[in-house]
Amino acid sequence: QLVLTQSPSASASLGASVRLTCTLSSGHSRYAIAWHQQQPEKGPRYLMKVNSDGSHTKGDGIPDRFSGSSSGAERYLTISSLQSEDEADYYCQTWDTGIQVFGGGAKLTVL
Amino acid sequence: EVQLLESGGDLVQPGGSLRLSCAASGFTFSSYAMNWVRQAPGKGLEWVSAISGSGASTNYADSVKGRFTISRDNSKNTLYLQMNSLRAEDTAVYFCAKDKSIVPTSSFFESWGQGTLVTVSS
Repeated sequence: QLVLTQSPSASASLGASVRLTCTLSSGHSRYAIAWHQQQPEKGPRYLMKVNSDGSHTKGDGIPDRFSGSSSGAERYLTISSLQSEDEADYYCQTWDTGIQVFGGGAKLTVL
Repeated sequence: EVQLLESGGDLVQPGGSLRLSCAASGFTFSSYAMNWVRQAPGKGLEWVSAISGSGASTNYADSVKGRFTISRDNSKNTLYLQMNSLRAEDTAVYFCAKDKSIVPTSSFFESWGQGTLVTVSS
């Protein structure tokens, strides 16, 4: 079964960096994922697609502070030079024939 | 600029029906699969349904299969979700999302709407 696992929360200080992790279920380690950001009371926003080889493709207007990478079944979103507006929920997404799957989301707090 | 504007959310009684709409602009609507995704209060995102660019192919989450129907009118650049036999657990904000591909469930979502609230309660 295709499942994405995220730690529910993360925190880091203003100006620091943070890495969020999305883990693919067993047997699905080569799947690509997408990262989405949801600020409070808003619709989600596409950030980037991350492939199994670590390459990533960002959405329009996504700052260079946001980057993606991979290791095995883990897909990462790294945010550097944290700003207050980065405080949001972050979701990973993947897909297979007939289904779309989201991770449970990670709430990022900027201290 | 891609714009997706959902409408049709309302308070409805259990067992009732509702139709949501998503008006799209800023892109060639028929060239992309479209999706509905929902978010229950305080919860995460849950994919609901997808439809191909032509409308010929559809997919549903098990939680809504047999109760919800996705459709589209490419002449009006509008996506729909017909929701029947509504339950309390269907209470959520419903988002429409533009797929990267014309084929549903083959790629990621590259644009989202702001959502419309559906409340199922007596």
